[in-house]
Amino acid sequence: DGGITQSPKYLFRKEGQNVTLSCEQNLNHDAMYWYRQDPGQGLRLIYYSQIVNDFQKGDIAEGYSVSREKKESFPLTVTSAQKNPTAFYLCASSMQVGQPQHFGDGTRLSIL
Amino acid sequence: AQSVAQPEDQVNVAEGNPLTVKCTYSVSGNPYLFWYVQYPNRGLQFLLKYITGDNLVKGSYGFEAEFNKSQTSFHLKKPSALVSDSALYFCAVRDPISSGSARQLTFGSGTQLTVLP
Repeated sequence: DGGITQSPKYLFRKEGQNVTLSCEQNLNHDAMYWYRQDPGQGLRLIYYSQIVNDFQKGDIAEGYSVSREKKESFPLTVTSAQKNPTAFYLCASSMQVGQPQHFGDGTRLSIL
Repeated sequence: AQSVAQPEDQVNVAEGNPLTVKCTYSVSGNPYLFWYVQYPNRGLQFLLKYITGDNLVKGSYGFEAEFNKSQTSFHLKKPSALVSDSALYFCAVRDPISSGSARQLTFGSGTQLTVLP
């Protein structure tokens, strides 16, 4: 079945450590997205990519970085500059920007 | 700038009764509107969308939504609620004439629906 796979499901980070969240899709979608979800705040866009080798900052990009070297992969790195990284992170994809998005099951990041 | 509001954090309804989850939006052009559902510790699942055409949109699992341009609303409805409908529901809007990150979806804060048996 086609879909989006996020790994790991749970991740713990030590102070000053960078961590990378994986997102892989086999839907042949051009666009991919990273969102952060905090209780009572809905989803906020971190980064998005409309095509391979291209990505754009979303509303809360500070402290995060991404790459899009392959169509099916869009990893997110949470750097030590992100002072409040504890959240539920969701990856999504769509055929094109503006089309309905398909979501992965998320990665929950916590600070040790 | 585009925005979306879900005025109710929590909606409770008895099983078998009709349900409504409210959503209002603000865009500068004609909106693209979406509803998603999220079960605990899962990603969001697409329910339905309005792009153009008939104001009443039918989606998955018996849900429908009515686009009302004069009231800038896109309320989610279902004639008869099931206990299994209990979940977190998100409304989202996109303004297709915006540029950059503003062309992306803006999500509401979510409404927790609880269907009581």
